[in-house]
Amino acid sequence: DVKVTQSSRYLVKRTGEKVFLECVQDMDHENMFWYRQDPGLGLRLIYFSYDVKMKEKGDIPEGYSVSREKKERFSLILESASTNQTSMYLCASNPSTGGIQPQHFGDGTRLSIL
Amino acid sequence: AQSVAQPEDQVNVAEGNPLTVKCTYSVSGNPYLFWYVQYPNRGLQFLLKYITGDNLVKGSYGFEAEFNKSQTSFHLKKPSALVSDSALYFCAVTMNSGGYQKVTFGTGTKLQVIP
Repeated sequence: DVKVTQSSRYLVKRTGEKVFLECVQDMDHENMFWYRQDPGLGLRLIYFSYDVKMKEKGDIPEGYSVSREKKERFSLILESASTNQTSMYLCASNPSTGGIQPQHFGDGTRLSIL
Repeated sequence: AQSVAQPEDQVNVAEGNPLTVKCTYSVSGNPYLFWYVQYPNRGLQFLLKYITGDNLVKGSYGFEAEFNKSQTSFHLKKPSALVSDSALYFCAVTMNSGGYQKVTFGTGTKLQVIP
């Protein structure tokens, strides 16, 4: 069974801090994704990566960066946290098979910026 | 551009009754369609998908969905709802356009099954 693990379930940080969210998958998937989930807005893609050291901007990349140094790990970085980045963050992965395979999600990190 | 619409923010159904959660989509080519479920404080879990072939697809926990190309719909259904089906449901669409295939998610529908 595919397991996607996010390092923290709940996180509280202060405005201006640099915040790291970590995600690890154990199924050798090529693709990894970071989404944020807000009520009424569904899931919005922040960044994705289709290979080690490769990254592409999603729909809302402003204020975020990512790092993928190893295939199994994909990190989301909030360069200078702001209150409007308070949200649920979801990491996902899937194999690179032309879009026919579903994404596997972690349980999410609920981030509060004070 | 591709899009997904889930017209109902919430659906209420009595336990034992059939349920339907609606989804319509818009893509410029042939779609790949997915349903996911999210329980409180959890990530999304895959329920079922339509890629090609039979328009009626069956998935986990007794759910099924019907692909209707003329109505560009992919409604989720279950013949008899359980209280444990209460959750947030997301429809998603992508298409085979070469390279990375972006997935677009709907805004979600909260299903409440009433005992």
